[in-house]
Amino acid sequence: NAGVTQTPKFQVLKTGQSMTLQCAQDMNHNSMYWYRQDPGMGLRLIYYSASEGTTDKGEVPNGYNVSRLNKREFSLRLESAAPSQTSVYFCASSDFVHRGKPDTQYFGPGTRLTVL
Amino acid sequence: AQKITQTQPGMFVQEKEAVTLDCTYDTSDQSYGLFWYKQPSSGEMIFLIYQGSYDEQNATEGRYSLNFQKARKSANLVISASQLGDSAMYFCAMREGRMDSNYQLIWGAGTKLIIKP
Repeated sequence: NAGVTQTPKFQVLKTGQSMTLQCAQDMNHNSMYWYRQDPGMGLRLIYYSASEGTTDKGEVPNGYNVSRLNKREFSLRLESAAPSQTSVYFCASSDFVHRGKPDTQYFGPGTRLTVL
Repeated sequence: AQKITQTQPGMFVQEKEAVTLDCTYDTSDQSYGLFWYKQPSSGEMIFLIYQGSYDEQNATEGRYSLNFQKARKSANLVISASQLGDSAMYFCAMREGRMDSNYQLIWGAGTKLIIKP
């Protein structure tokens, strides 16, 4: 049981290049999320997918696109990378469980992205 | 206005002492949840503890407990008998709305905790 996996772990891009960050979870969770974390700050939600087939914008969606490929996989694409997108990107997944148990989000290890 | 406020950017605590990390929140929802996560230097985010707004008792998970004061809108994390491995960033987060609805977590800026030997 790997939990949430992300690839790659590190990436350096030049301004204007594109790339896709991959995320997969093996916990059969319905919901998946992409966050970015900038130095000294908490997480900011980029996009989320409440269930397979749906995606919604979070707090900072500009410059990103997402695809919920299937229940397991949720990818984040940067079409034309900018230095302002230098950050650590986290993928997370969760499921709602009723009767008092929280729908805790479980996180992947993160991707450190630098845009030059 | 910030919805989650963590007023302590950094803390130093002696090993084996108890630690309280502050978190205040702002919401007009009656149904909400509060989470604490730990982020060690390795970078991963680790879930520690959860408190629902309707939970009558304070949540506890091993050495972690949540001091939930609803009227004051505070949800402080208490770590008893701190250990060197507790050195990390700690984030408070809030979910607004019903548990079975789509939701987003709102995150505080974090507190960096350093345990001194």
